[in-house]
Amino acid sequence: QQPVQSPQAVILREGEDAVINCSSSKALYSVHWYRQKHGEAPVFLMILLKGGEQKGHEKISASFNEKKQQSSLYLTASQLSYSGTYFCGTESLGPGGGNKLTFGTGTQLKVEL
Amino acid sequence: NAGVTQTPKFRILKIGQSMTLQCTQDMNHNYMYWYRQDPGMGLKLIYYSVGAGITDKGEVPNGYNVSRSTTEDFPLRLELAAPSQTSVYFCASSYPGYRDNSPLHFGNGTRLTVT
Repeated sequence: QQPVQSPQAVILREGEDAVINCSSSKALYSVHWYRQKHGEAPVFLMILLKGGEQKGHEKISASFNEKKQQSSLYLTASQLSYSGTYFCGTESLGPGGGNKLTFGTGTQLKVEL
Repeated sequence: NAGVTQTPKFRILKIGQSMTLQCTQDMNHNYMYWYRQDPGMGLKLIYYSVGAGITDKGEVPNGYNVSRSTTEDFPLRLELAAPSQTSVYFCASSYPGYRDNSPLHFGNGTRLTVT
C-alpha cells in the first residue's frame, strides 16, 4: 500500500523552513527519500534504517519513527535549488515487503526569492 | 562511469505495437528495477531483479515482460501497447538491495506515448 505524503505542495520564500511527512499503514523496515526536478530522474537524499534515527545532508535532515510508521524530512533555510518534488519510498516488514520499495505520491516544493 | 543508461529517451507507439526499453548499468549492481511514473504521480514498481536469471513482479506487472541474462542489462518488453502504458519509465539499480543501506541509482528515463 502506498505511503501517504503531506503536504501535497508547498511554496516557500528562500530561507524558510519546511517539513514533509510520510506515513505508512504497514510496519516499516526502512524509509528512503529522493528529490526529483522537473523532467529529470529522482536523486537519492538519504535512507533511514532504524526507528528514531535522524540523518542529515547539508541543511536537509530526516527522522524515522518506527512505532508510528512515519518519517519526516526537514528542510532548513531553504534555497532555490531545493525546489522539486520529494518522494518517500518505504520498505515494509513481513510478507510482501523486502526488496520492494513503495513510493508515495510526492510533495511538490517550490522555493521563491 | 556512465551509471544507469536508458534508451530510447522518447518513443511514440501505436496501439498494439511492441517495443523493448533498454537499460544497462556499469556499476556491477546486483539489483535492478523498472518503475513507471504517470504525470503528477509517484513511482510504481513494474518488475525487479536480484541478479542474472532472477526476476520478480512488482506492483503493476501486467502488460510487461522482463529478462535478466547479464548483470549489466535489464530490458523491459511491452507487448501489444495500450494507451494506459503512456508514462515515463525509469530503470534503477542498487547494490545489493534496499536493506543494506543501498540507494537507488536511476537512469534518465524513457518517455513513452501510446496513441
